[in-house]
Amino acid sequence: NAGVTQTPKFQVLKTGQSMTLQCAQDMNHEYMSWYRQDPGMGLRLIHYSVGAGITDQGEVPNGYNVSRSTTEDFPLRLLSAAPSQTSVYFCASSYGGPHSEAFFGQGTRLTVV
Amino acid sequence: AQTVTQSQPEMSVQEAETVTLSCTYDTSESDYYLFWYKQPPSRQMILVIRQEAYKQQNATENRFSVNFQKAAKSFSLKISDSQLGDAAMYFCAFRGRQGGSEKLVFGKGTKLTVNP
Repeated sequence: NAGVTQTPKFQVLKTGQSMTLQCAQDMNHEYMSWYRQDPGMGLRLIHYSVGAGITDQGEVPNGYNVSRSTTEDFPLRLLSAAPSQTSVYFCASSYGGPHSEAFFGQGTRLTVV
Repeated sequence: AQTVTQSQPEMSVQEAETVTLSCTYDTSESDYYLFWYKQPPSRQMILVIRQEAYKQQNATENRFSVNFQKAAKSFSLKISDSQLGDAAMYFCAFRGRQGGSEKLVFGKGTKLTVNP
């Protein structure tokens, strides 16, 4: 069972570069989200989607773009990387409703130099 | 907006002993769910236990149980018979209905060390 697959697992970028973090799920979940995890800060919501073609901003959206053209995929784009975006990024998916368990990818450790 | 507070950045416990991790939250909603997630050094986020706000009975999953006090907005996690494999970051999380149930709100986490 693949679950939620994130690629890459590690990435080093130079300031100003752009890149896309990939996220795919095979559970037919409606909801998908991106979080960033920083030491002492927990996980903070960047962007989320409640279905194909529908996205919205979370708590810390600046510097990131998302799109959801299919149910399975939810890529996160860094437009112009900054050192402040050095973090661990998690993609999560779930069925709708507050009772639903969120399933997480393995995370991407991104370093911006 | 909902907030989740974990006041213990770090905790330690002796193997086979019991430890309780604290979590408080703030919300105006009455229908919501609370979760504890475990993050071992592998970074993988693993659901430990969940609690529905409308259920008075505290959730249990093997050695893991919660003490849910709705009026006090408190949701602590008790780990009994601690094992070395329990060493991890533990995150408390809230998920409601108002403003969209797609959002999980996390606390800052508690790092649990298990001493042999």
